[in-house]
Amino acid sequence: AQSVSQHNHHVILSEAASLELGCNYSYGGTVNLFWYVQYPGQHLQLLLKYFSGDPLVKGIKGFEAEFIKSKFSFNLRKPSVQWSDTAEYFCAVTSLDSNYQLIWGAGTKLIIKP
Amino acid sequence: ETGVTQTPRHLVMGMTNKKSLKCEQHLGHNAMYWYKQSAKKPLELMFVYSLEERVENNSVPSRFSPECPNSSHLFLHLHTLQPEDSALYLCASSQTSTGKRGELFFGEGSRLTVL
Repeated sequence: AQSVSQHNHHVILSEAASLELGCNYSYGGTVNLFWYVQYPGQHLQLLLKYFSGDPLVKGIKGFEAEFIKSKFSFNLRKPSVQWSDTAEYFCAVTSLDSNYQLIWGAGTKLIIKP
Repeated sequence: ETGVTQTPRHLVMGMTNKKSLKCEQHLGHNAMYWYKQSAKKPLELMFVYSLEERVENNSVPSRFSPECPNSSHLFLHLHTLQPEDSALYLCASSQTSTGKRGELFFGEGSRLTVL
């Protein structure tokens, strides 16, 4: 069965630090990749997605992610974080094998110290 | 405002109670989902309805019973739950077209506590 692994359950950074959250998936075929974000007390929302084309995708609020097929990875990055980026971040994957339903990682809680 | 509204936001129930969670979407989507969110675990897909027909049921215990009367409304009927069923239950909707797969719009969730 497919799985998605997020390497860190908790990350604490200071404002202006650079961010990279890891995400690896197990499926060897064609995948669609997603990052979702859940701000405190708010609903889950899509941050960015990769379907095809340029493996470096840009999302809202200055976030980007790079799809590296050889590493089965889709890491999320932001050059300089802000206190308002405090949230939980979820990586997810769809594929033919999952009947195009999302397979989710366990999430990474990001805390930004002001 | 997400376009997906869930009620109630909080629910406390005993193991012998019967209650229901409600979800309504105002986005014109044709698929609706129930997910269970527990701390430190991946989101668990419970049920998917596409065009009002259930297309996924991930071996969820029968004490959870979904109902989708139309493309805008989704219910989760709860009865004789167990304490381990305490969690945040999320409703989501989406389009089913190829280019929109995986793009889900979530409600704010119903926090369920089973005593």
